[in-house]
Amino acid sequence: NAGVTQTPKFQVLKTGQSMTLQCAQDMNHEYMSWYRQDPGMGLRLIHYSVGAGITDQGEVPNGYNVSRSTTEDFPLRLLSAAPSQTSVYFCASRTEGRHGYTFGSGTRLTVV
Amino acid sequence: TQLLEQSPQFLSIQEGENLTVYCNSSSVFSSLQWYRQEPGEGPVLLVTVVTGGEVKKLKRLTFQFGDARKDSSLHITAAQTGDTGLYLCAGVLITGGGNKLTFGTGTQLKVEL
Repeated sequence: NAGVTQTPKFQVLKTGQSMTLQCAQDMNHEYMSWYRQDPGMGLRLIHYSVGAGITDQGEVPNGYNVSRSTTEDFPLRLLSAAPSQTSVYFCASRTEGRHGYTFGSGTRLTVV
Repeated sequence: TQLLEQSPQFLSIQEGENLTVYCNSSSVFSSLQWYRQEPGEGPVLLVTVVTGGEVKKLKRLTFQFGDARKDSSLHITAAQTGDTGLYLCAGVLITGGGNKLTFGTGTQLKVEL
């Protein structure tokens, strides 16, 4: 099993550009989430999904869109990148009946 | 305002020493998890505690969930250099959705020879 795979690992964007961070899991997990990690602020929840076709907002959803067309994939879209979105982004998944999440290795995004 | 406060923020100790990391809140959690994160990697789950007063042991690591389910602690006995990393607590609020995991700000542990 590959677990949770995130691509790309690094990305530099110019202000105003759009892009999609990819996340895929091969564990048939129902629940998937996107977090951003900033120094001194821990991980903050952006969006999450409880299954294909169902998504909801987390703590810091503004500027980001998600969709969940399949169980495996949960892409995060930045519509118009801003320097405040410079961060490390993590995707995570878990299965029903288990509390703990499996995390990907992250995407380091810099917006200039 | 941080829902989960971790202390200390930084800890630098010698190999063989014991240490305790605290995770505190004024809110009640249905479960609390501890993760360890190394540079350039995602957090890795160490343990989940779900019952107030619960104590779990993982080799030299002991985790405790407070009786009121508002706090937790992680105790490491005889720390080793391999314990170095960022330790994160995370909880699911009893009043919130079961899928919203809230993280503390983390404790950066450095164990030196």
